[in-house]
Amino acid sequence: GQNIDQPTEMTATEGAIVQINCTYQTSGFNGLFWYQQHAGEAPTFLSYNVLDGLEEKGRFSSFLSRSKGYSYLLLKELQMKDSASYLCAVMDSNYQLIWGAGTKLIIKP
Amino acid sequence: IAGITQAPTSQILAAGRRMTLRCTQDMRHNAMYWYRQDLGLGLRLIHYSNTAGTTGKGEVPDGYSVSRANTDDFPLTLASAVPSQTSVYFCASSPRAENTGELFFGEGSRLTVL
Repeated sequence: GQNIDQPTEMTATEGAIVQINCTYQTSGFNGLFWYQQHAGEAPTFLSYNVLDGLEEKGRFSSFLSRSKGYSYLLLKELQMKDSASYLCAVMDSNYQLIWGAGTKLIIKP
Repeated sequence: IAGITQAPTSQILAAGRRMTLRCTQDMRHNAMYWYRQDLGLGLRLIHYSNTAGTTGKGEVPDGYSVSRANTDDFPLTLASAVPSQTSVYFCASSPRAENTGELFFGEGSRLTVL
């Protein structure tokens, strides 16, 4: 079956760096996506990786290793507003998104 | 403000009742999707539509139906609600008919079936 694994919850300190991991096993691969979802709100698109390596976008970076079925989202200079759930999703061979359950990130002052 | 509008935002429904969740977008996006989000699970695709006039089944379509009469509207109907359909429902869209993975989501409809 298809599976996306990410930690359920993480805690970090304001101003610090946090890495959220995602491992996947899917039928084919057409890209990996990260979304942010604040409590009670809609998910919003953060990043997209289709080739191995690091994609940087401001304070957020996303890394992909296709051979290892692994990605991480790196958040730098954490701010209180970064408290949210972070969803990892993989597009399979049928161009359907398979979603992880999300990682709830708690930022402490 | 451009985007996706869902209605209602919240609803409590008796089991066996019929319910339609409305979704309207004003971005002229080709593709639209309905997902449900349950605690501890990833988003699960219910139905999708690549373009107006076409629909397809997702991962969990049973008990749900959709229609896509025009580009803007994509209602989701529960013909006879059951408690297992208690969930938060998200409508989403993407600009192209083929799924690029970059989706724009509505604010969600929280449905409780008693």
